[in-house]
Amino acid sequence: RKEVEQDPGPFNVPEGATVAFNCTYSNSASQSFFWYRQDCRKEPKLLMSVYSSGNEDGRFTAQLNRASQYISLLIRDSKLSDSATYLCVVNIEGGKLIFGQGTELSVKP
Amino acid sequence: GAVVSQHPSWVICKSGTSVKIECRSLDFQATTMFWYRQFPKQSLMLMATSNEGSKATYEQGVEKDKFLINHASLTLSTLTVTSAHPEDSSFYICSASNSLNTEAFFGQGTRLTVV
Repeated sequence: RKEVEQDPGPFNVPEGATVAFNCTYSNSASQSFFWYRQDCRKEPKLLMSVYSSGNEDGRFTAQLNRASQYISLLIRDSKLSDSATYLCVVNIEGGKLIFGQGTELSVKP
Repeated sequence: GAVVSQHPSWVICKSGTSVKIECRSLDFQATTMFWYRQFPKQSLMLMATSNEGSKATYEQGVEKDKFLINHASLTLSTLTVTSAHPEDSSFYICSASNSLNTEAFFGQGTRLTVV
């Protein structure tokens, strides 16, 4: 079993759609959780951290359920510029990050 | 946010040669840096953890004699791919954490092509 598993992609959605990504992790001692965005042939960039209380940043909402070891990302009102690969990332310890395989999102006009 | 600089951004080398990739934290001291590799259409895979002043810790399946890591200072870690082969062609990327470990900062990545 992979340490971090994500929805298989790609997700093809029209502009304005709401899209949800799911992720599960296996290490119950994981310390912190993130969603990163990676554009083609570029380095990953932090989209947002994920907290148990849930957090929202504009059109993006992230949620963490430690009991079920589940992380989610919701994108509302999708824009063309949201097209990218979204990576679920878990910090095992001391900055050591384990990446999910990524879910590709393609937003169409 | 903090800045991590990686150099070179791309390199083409002949099979059998060695390639050195540098990763520098420009505005903070990074006691630990991480090296990842990403093949096309795949996610980033952790190769090794680089600790300043000590030997790197390699992930299972990563050959330590082939991927030499040196972390001689708090702002510089290097990865040397020795005797490179075409199957080593990949996107190599480093990251560094600040002392709070609240976020990892990535270098721009190095695209290695071995011909």
